[in-house]
Amino acid sequence: QVQLVESGGDLVKPGGSLRLSCAASGFTISDYYMTWVRQAPGKGLEWVAYISKSGTTIFYADSVRGRFTISRDNAKDLVYLQMNSLRVDDAAVYFCARGPATAIYLWGRGTLVTVSS
Amino acid sequence: QAVVTQEPSLTVSPGGTVTLTCGSSTGPVTSGHFPYWFQQQKPGQAPRTLIYDTNKTHSWTPARFSGSLLGGTAALTLSGARPEDEADYYCLLSYFGTPVFGGGTKLTVL
Repeated sequence: QVQLVESGGDLVKPGGSLRLSCAASGFTISDYYMTWVRQAPGKGLEWVAYISKSGTTIFYADSVRGRFTISRDNAKDLVYLQMNSLRVDDAAVYFCARGPATAIYLWGRGTLVTVSS
Repeated sequence: QAVVTQEPSLTVSPGGTVTLTCGSSTGPVTSGHFPYWFQQQKPGQAPRTLIYDTNKTHSWTPARFSGSLLGGTAALTLSGARPEDEADYYCLLSYFGTPVFGGGTKLTVL
């Protein structure tokens, strides 16, 4: 079954760090760009970052550039989002998605990140 | 950065037809924006992709959904609404490789 499963969401204090993971099954991520999208409580969708098949090309939203890092391990079919210097407004459900952020084909179920002191 | 606009909310009767639109602050939406439409049953739940590249559908897209360009906007038309179509709908436009989501439309089937 083709699916994406995110993990790593947690409660973290402002200024803290967290690493999210996205495990793919039913397909090989090396064939695809991969993306992270988030949704703050009561808000709409916001793309966060996406990464090329080989990992050599990466794009970030202005809101996270310099604080978040997207990466991938094609051998393990895993995608990561390292989040540093977390702010209250980073609190959201984070979705992993297959495809570049301009062409999302498949979505994961999401993992919840809460940022609060 | 471009702003993508959608109706905040719409209501359709069961069996009725409704059109959701997706506009751009930079001018008319064209096929070059590669419009996408996503459905999210409840906030926080996984969205699913309904329409890509203006009017292309996936194998799981119900036939009652269709995409088009309409009056300078991207449009998602639902013909024969069902209760399970009550959801939030988001469009996505691409601006030379930079994605921008619309704010979403809450569709009520009532």
